Amino acid sequence: GDSVTQMEGPVTLSEEAFLTINCTYTATGYPSLFWYVQYPGEGLQLLLKATKADDKGSNKGFEATYRKETTSFHLEKGSVQVSDSAVYFCALSDPLNYGGSQGNLIFGKGTKLSVKP
Amino acid sequence: IAGITQAPTSQILAAGRRMTLRCTQDMRHNAMYWYRQDLGLGLRLIHYSNTAGTTGKGEVPDGYSVSRANTDDFPLTLASAVPSQTSVYFCASSVYSGRGTDTQYFGPGTRLTVL
Repeated sequence: GDSVTQMEGPVTLSEEAFLTINCTYTATGYPSLFWYVQYPGEGLQLLLKATKADDKGSNKGFEATYRKETTSFHLEKGSVQVSDSAVYFCALSDPLNYGGSQGNLIFGKGTKLSVKP
Repeated sequence: IAGITQAPTSQILAAGRRMTLRCTQDMRHNAMYWYRQDLGLGLRLIHYSNTAGTTGKGEVPDGYSVSRANTDDFPLTLASAVPSQTSVYFCASSVYSGRGTDTQYFGPGTRLTVL
């Protein structure tokens, strides 16, 4: 079945450091890919998304490129801030996921990022 | 515009009791979802509804039931709570077109503790 694997956390960085959170996926069809962010005590918010191969999603300085050849969607940011401290989830939506809701999001386990001043 | 609201915010419940978690959205999305979030396991789908009047089972449906009488509301019921249902529960909604989901919008969550 479809699945998402993202790097284990927690990740601790100093302010202005470069961030990469790896995400790879397995899917039956041609999924859409998402990064969601969860700030402490809150629900999930969409950070960025890409719907087809080679698309780049970007928002708030974060970027991720849909790489079909490597089945990856790594999240990057050139200079993190303390306010970026949160849990980041990679997710996919596969319209050919006949095993469940075709609208379902399949999530990775999340990566906790802590940014120190 | 409130988006998605969930109630209660948190609840402590005795094992064996019945509990309904409420979820309401005002975005007129046709699809709604219930997830549970557990440390180290990410989010797992409990039940979903692609349109009012229809529901389906997700990855972890046992011990839970849902109904979708109208577009806006999607309550989740635990008929007889057990400690393994201690979790944070998130409701979400999206536009569903039959070709996969558009962006899902999440509520603030309900923290449930079953003793």
